[in-house]
Amino acid sequence: LAKTTQPISMDSYEGQEVNITCSHNNIATNDYITWYQQFPSQGPRFIIQGYKTKVTNEVASLFIPADRKSSTLSLPRVSLSDTAVYYCLVGDIKSTGGYNKLIFGAGTRLAVHP
Amino acid sequence: DAGITQSPRHKVTETGTPVTLRCHQTENHRYMYWYRQDPGHGLRLIHYSYGVKDTDKGEVSDGYSVSRSKTEDFLLTLESATSSQTSVYFCAISDVAGDTEAFFGQGTRLTVV
Repeated sequence: LAKTTQPISMDSYEGQEVNITCSHNNIATNDYITWYQQFPSQGPRFIIQGYKTKVTNEVASLFIPADRKSSTLSLPRVSLSDTAVYYCLVGDIKSTGGYNKLIFGAGTRLAVHP
Repeated sequence: DAGITQSPRHKVTETGTPVTLRCHQTENHRYMYWYRQDPGHGLRLIHYSYGVKDTDKGEVSDGYSVSRSKTEDFLLTLESATSSQTSVYFCAISDVAGDTEAFFGQGTRLTVV
């Protein structure tokens, strides 16, 4: 499984755009990139997933450069409620014969200030 | 929200006693996982299951065992609880093989005194 590296923490202010970058230099051809969000005292929640270029949903955007060795989660106009830990995972979601261990790293702790 | 329930939600137990945590799902998902979460360590995988009676070890499996006799239930057992196993335990489920869109339970806070 590809190892991921993220900043330990980030600070932002309400209304700003936040970009969290994840490094995954050993990403494999079949690997997808997935981001989760975790609020205090809750289990993680799936945010977004992508393979290449750009993916956007109602919550966030995910930017993946051509070499796929990194990815950036973009949160537009954050609010106080976006204060959470964000995890980047890399894995082969199309595997039909195996299984995915879902290995989480330490994540990035985002603090949004008034 | 996915139908996944952990029980108990909170438990205090004494060192040396056996403890079993239960994860119950109503989604008929094939894959189930147990994690522990401690300050500064993020989520660490203990054991996972890829089908009934099919389980395997994760990153931190020592001191833990699991069983899955039915699709809907995944049990985590601490045979002899130690203070180092004080943690928050999360169960997760996912559907197809390799699906990283997993759904998590609300967690069980276990304190071993």
